Amino acid sequence: GENVEQHPSTLSVQEGDSAVIKCTYSDSASNYFPWYKQELGKGPQLIIDIRSNVGEKKDQRIAVTLNKTAKHFSLHITETQPEDSAVYFCAAMDQAGTALIFGKGTTLSVSS
Amino acid sequence: DAGVIQSPRHEVTEMGQEVTLRCKPISGHDYLFWYRQTMMRGLELLIYFNNNVPIDDSGMPEDRFSAKMPNASFSTLKIQPSEPRDSAVYFCASSLGGQPQHFGDGTRLSIL
Repeated sequence: GENVEQHPSTLSVQEGDSAVIKCTYSDSASNYFPWYKQELGKGPQLIIDIRSNVGEKKDQRIAVTLNKTAKHFSLHITETQPEDSAVYFCAAMDQAGTALIFGKGTTLSVSS
Repeated sequence: DAGVIQSPRHEVTEMGQEVTLRCKPISGHDYLFWYRQTMMRGLELLIYFNNNVPIDDSGMPEDRFSAKMPNASFSTLKIQPSEPRDSAVYFCASSLGGQPQHFGDGTRLSIL
C-alpha cells in the first residue's frame, strides 16, 4: 500500500524567512496530494492541494511542487509569519482514490 | 457554513467502560472518515463510509472498535471495552466525492 515519508520533523525559522517541507510517496498510482495545517487543539485544515496533472500550484505565500517521476512533493511557505507556526501534514491519496495516507507531520516554529 | 461537528470534545473514563464518539458531517457530503491521532503513529485512518455504507474498515484496531452511520448526517465510533492504549485524539472528516477532506476539531479521549 501507499507509504508517505515527511521531512523534517521539526523546522525553526526566523520571521520573513522561507520554509520548505518535503514528502515522498511510494505508490506511483497516487494522483492527489493535499497539505494540512494543524493548530493546537484543532483538527487539520486543508491549506493547498495538487493533482498529478499539475507540477506546481501557488496560493499567495504558499506553493506546492510535485515531481511525479521522483515521487516527491514539497510545500513552500515564503515570508513566514508567527501565525504560520503549526504542525503541517502532507498526504497522498491511495489507489482507490478515496483514503488519504498521511506523513508524520512537521512542527514549524516561526520566531519574531 | 457549519463544518464537521464532533462531540464530546474531551472524554475521560476508566478502562473497561464503553465510549461513544459522535460526528455530524458537512451537509451534502457523501464520504465520512474516522481517524485516530497519536504521537507514536500519527494520523491513522480507522474506517470510512460512502453514502452511509462502510467501505474499508481495515484500519480498525480490533473488535473492541465499531462504527456506524445510520443516516447521512450522523456517525458514531464506539469502543467497548476501552483500554488505556486507546487514549488518543479521534477525528472525523467528511468530503464530497472523496476529496478534499474536511476535518472536525476532534475528541480527546483519555482512558484511565
